[in-house]
Amino acid sequence: QVQLVQSGAEVKQPGASVKVSCKASGNTFLSSDFHWVRQATGQGLEWMGWMNPNSGDTGYAQKFQGRVTLTRNISSSTAYMELSRLTSDDSAVYYCARWEGSHWYFDLWGRGTLVTVSS
Amino acid sequence: QSVLTQPPSVSGAPGQRVSISCTGTSSNTGAGYDVHWYQQLPGKAPKVLIYGNNKRPSGVPDRFSGSKSGASASLAITGLQAEDEADYYCQSYDSSLNSYVFGSGTQVTVL
Repeated sequence: QVQLVQSGAEVKQPGASVKVSCKASGNTFLSSDFHWVRQATGQGLEWMGWMNPNSGDTGYAQKFQGRVTLTRNISSSTAYMELSRLTSDDSAVYYCARWEGSHWYFDLWGRGTLVTVSS
Repeated sequence: QSVLTQPPSVSGAPGQRVSISCTGTSSNTGAGYDVHWYQQLPGKAPKVLIYGNNKRPSGVPDRFSGSKSGASASLAITGLQAEDEADYYCQSYDSSLNSYVFGSGTQVTVL
């Protein structure tokens, strides 16, 4: 059964960067795009961007342009999300999600990684 | 502020039917992009409940159903159960923003 296993919780200072990983089990890493969605405590879901694991092509929500970078390591079937210049508003749970290309929805989600930004 | 509009909360007694609306605009749901629904149990990751407006993934009970007409979509839960208490989000694509968009979320309470 395919799973998306994310890295553990992080605590960062304002102005720092954070890099979250998302490892896909099974042999399906190259089959689908990976997206990142975040959720601040008590708030809704916010889409951040996508990455094609084959080409490395990426696309970002306008809000995060210039601050977020999505990358991957094919040999380890792992996708990464790096967010820079952190502020307290970036404190949230960050999810990776696999994209289903026929209907454009997210059919598999990681458990999430809590990022806390605090001085 | 979310691009797709949902009611903040709905409630119903066990066994009843509840419905959650999701309203978009001419650049997302009104442009013909599919609507999908996710259930998020407390402390858990979202899980797809309905995709492609009205399709259920395997394993999702047929108590859950979806529909879409124009720019509006709905999720219905019939035979409401205590385990259905969760947050529900709709999702689509917005061509003006070139982004995937979510609704603001609806909390379902079983009385």
